[in-house]
Amino acid sequence: DAGITQSPRHKVTETGTPVTLRCHQTENHRYMYWYRQDPGHGLRLIHYSYGVKDTDKGEVSDGYSVSRSKTEDFLLTLESATSSQTSVYFCAIGPQETQYFGPGTRLLVL
Amino acid sequence: AQSVSQHNHHVILSEAASLELGCNYSYGGTVNLFWYVQYPGQHLQLLLKYFSGDPLVKGIKGFEAEFIKSKFSFNLRKPSVQWSDTAEYFCAVAPGRGGGNKLTFGTGTQLKVEL
Repeated sequence: DAGITQSPRHKVTETGTPVTLRCHQTENHRYMYWYRQDPGHGLRLIHYSYGVKDTDKGEVSDGYSVSRSKTEDFLLTLESATSSQTSVYFCAIGPQETQYFGPGTRLLVL
Repeated sequence: AQSVSQHNHHVILSEAASLELGCNYSYGGTVNLFWYVQYPGQHLQLLLKYFSGDPLVKGIKGFEAEFIKSKFSFNLRKPSVQWSDTAEYFCAVAPGRGGGNKLTFGTGTQLKVEL
């Protein structure tokens, strides 16, 4: 497996609180992505990064922000969590030919 | 923008039965196509991919997929499924020829294989 870790793996939070999820890679890869997985929707791209401080929006970016100050770390922040952001969040690295996925973070917003 | 449709949301098969999962895509240009699998409690793993060449692509664990350009389809097949194939399967599409790295996924098909 590619060296991708996500933290935390599980989190329960309350509506209106900020939440930051971390994706850490040891592959020194340029490309990193954040997806959310929801029943009936598959995986949807939230944000992606092509390098340090080079990020862009995906198809479901509202309510999320990202930062990438180091090659190995890609942070996803929910500024003010809402119940609709309850989901499983996956980080991925690599170009489209070989995208590797992390183990996921299960987030519950009450 | 590209989109992907997976028409079978849930499939239940007995061991040794043949499998075919449908995938249709919509995109105005050249595409690259993928099938990913997610076993219970695990992350996504790449099963196979098509970029060009022979439209019949063979992947891991005995899976194959056929790209039919005229039908905008990339169906996944396996001649004889095993209990261990129980998983969720996702079709994905990405722009071809340097069009970027963003994958668009279908909604997934839950496959349950019964003994």
